[in-house]
Amino acid sequence: QQPVQSPQAVILREGEDAVINCSSSKALYSVHWYRQKHGEAPVFLMILLKGGEQKGHEKISASFNEKKQQSSLYLTASQLSYSGTYFCGTERGDNYGQNFVFGPGTRLSVLP
Amino acid sequence: NAGVMQNPRHLVRRRGQEARLRCSPMKGHSHVYWYRQLPEEGLKFMVYLQKENIIDESGMPKERFSAEFPKEGPSILRIQQVVRGDSAAYFCATARDRLTGELFFGEGSRLTVL
Repeated sequence: QQPVQSPQAVILREGEDAVINCSSSKALYSVHWYRQKHGEAPVFLMILLKGGEQKGHEKISASFNEKKQQSSLYLTASQLSYSGTYFCGTERGDNYGQNFVFGPGTRLSVLP
Repeated sequence: NAGVMQNPRHLVRRRGQEARLRCSPMKGHSHVYWYRQLPEEGLKFMVYLQKENIIDESGMPKERFSAEFPKEGPSILRIQQVVRGDSAAYFCATARDRLTGELFFGEGSRLTVL
């Protein structure tokens, strides 16, 4: 039931781009993206509710392909502040299961 | 508008003792989720509650763990007879609406079992 994320980790230089993928074997109603810095609480980035919907937040955007049950997070021209672990969270599209589960996380390190 | 409040932030217990972790949702939030996180690992779902009701506890161990969200007061995650393996950070997250709302996380309670 837990979504799958890839890659597990990525190392970038400032200014480079990255894509983080999230996929589920179950039909999804929504996908959330959160970022957690070491020793801190996860912080909400964005939510995607409709198939094909894309949202943006500064230089961070995301897409949601409802048919493929996938979402991707795009980080462009990365900054040092983007370092952290990114989690996708998913809510099932059927009536089975009420919980909200997160993927295992993708650790992003942005180097100067 | 105060954020999600969790206390205690740090808790040390000896094996066999009880741990009580509290979560006060943001104003207007009636949905509470509890997650457990081991160092360098992900957020593992434990339980989802909505005022006075446990909606889904499929992620919670059957023994020693319980959760409640009373009509008045904070949500409480209770761990009885703690063991070393219970050492972890426990986060609660709350939402106004289940299907469309973002989750707001508390700062977490870090439990250490000696």
